[in-house]
Amino acid sequence: EIVLTQSPGTLSLSPGERASLSCRASQSAKNTYLAWYQQRPGQAPRLLIYDASSRATGIPDRFSGSGSGTDFTLTISRLEPEDFAVYYCQHYDTSPALYTFGQGTKLEIK
Amino acid sequence: QVQLRESGPGLVKPSGTLSLTCGVSGGSISSGNWWSWVRQPPGKGLEWIGEIYRSGSTNYNPSLKSRVSISVDTSKNQFSLNLISVTAADTAVYYCARQGSYCIDSWGQGTLVTVSS
Repeated sequence: EIVLTQSPGTLSLSPGERASLSCRASQSAKNTYLAWYQQRPGQAPRLLIYDASSRATGIPDRFSGSGSGTDFTLTISRLEPEDFAVYYCQHYDTSPALYTFGQGTKLEIK
Repeated sequence: QVQLRESGPGLVKPSGTLSLTCGVSGGSISSGNWWSWVRQPPGKGLEWIGEIYRSGSTNYNPSLKSRVSISVDTSKNQFSLNLISVTAADTAVYYCARQGSYCIDSWGQGTLVTVSS
């Protein structure tokens, strides 16, 4: 089972700044199986990125995903007020089928 | 656009059974997607519980496998979760969801289930 470790735990930035969130896998992960989600308070998670770098439907282009192997990054180019939330990375194992999530990074307003 | 809605008791007694149903609208549960349950304890992260296909094939998180079962009712366009022998550690918001390409692309609003006497 792949374990995902996200860093930092909390990131304090101002609107307009650039955010880089890290997700490290305990062993090499196939890009196809890596996704990112945003969760605002009191809401369900929302898919942002799948296949490590493909934006989901309706996601603004300020969100981008990159990485391979064990190191993946979610970048938000210019923070908008609505972007301050918790972000989770997720991996899917095929054999046996298993979704695992990172512990989350909280992006807060500085 | 598919919509999912969880329903079921918000309070379950310790050692009892947690039962939830997810109604699917705006799409067919008999499509080529898998369907999942995910939970989130208050103030904590996400935990995948398991998944089901229209055929009834299932996969479960090994950490819960001994206590969980997921079923599907294609005639009602819904799927269900049963979790037995619950404890306070099972208190969480439970989400039903649709899977896309090795990710979860649609989520229900979630329902809080509290385990308490």
